[in-house]
Amino acid sequence: DAGITQSPRHKVTETGTPVTLRCHQTENHRYMYWYRQDPGHGLRLIHYSYGVKDTDKGEVSDGYSVSRSKTEDFLLTLESATSSQTSVYFCAIGKGNDNSPLHFGNGTRLTVT
Amino acid sequence: GQSLEQPSEVTAVEGAIVQINCTYQTSGFYGLSWYQQHDGGAPTFLSYNALDGLEETGRFSSFLSRSDSYGYLLLQELQMKDSASYFCARGANTGFQKLVFGTGTRLLVSP
Repeated sequence: DAGITQSPRHKVTETGTPVTLRCHQTENHRYMYWYRQDPGHGLRLIHYSYGVKDTDKGEVSDGYSVSRSKTEDFLLTLESATSSQTSVYFCAIGKGNDNSPLHFGNGTRLTVT
Repeated sequence: GQSLEQPSEVTAVEGAIVQINCTYQTSGFYGLSWYQQHDGGAPTFLSYNALDGLEETGRFSSFLSRSDSYGYLLLQELQMKDSASYFCARGANTGFQKLVFGTGTRLLVSP
């Protein structure tokens, strides 16, 4: 299995507080992604990275920011959490070409109260 | 647009064959992937079709018809452990392996 670790696995936070989720990989993959998964919506891309300090927005990036200071770490930050950001967040790593698989972490379940 | 449509739920019995369809709408095309996700787990890669036709991997096969903007996942000799959600996904037309996922099909396998 690809070495991807997400932390924390579960978090409950209050509306308006900042939250940072961490994704750590040991595969040295250049590409890293943050997806959120909600019932009826499948997986939607929030942000992705194609190298250290190289990031870009995905389909649902409003309210989120990311940083990648090292190849192995990709951080997702909710600057001021809202109830609509209650979701399961998945980090994924890949080689950047569609014919290779994305490898997903085990997810972080975030509840914003 | 880049939406992918799948049935929300499919039911079948052990030993049967089931087909999960995926239709997509897009002006470009970068291949169709399939992922499996068990409840509470992470999505895992099953297959990828770059060209039209059938790709077979054990009990699972995936088919693509680019002219029809349609693909399907075929699961044979169903087992209870196949109960899971299945997602089709396609590459976005900007590269970087930015997959766009369908809403998923929940497969329930009964004895």
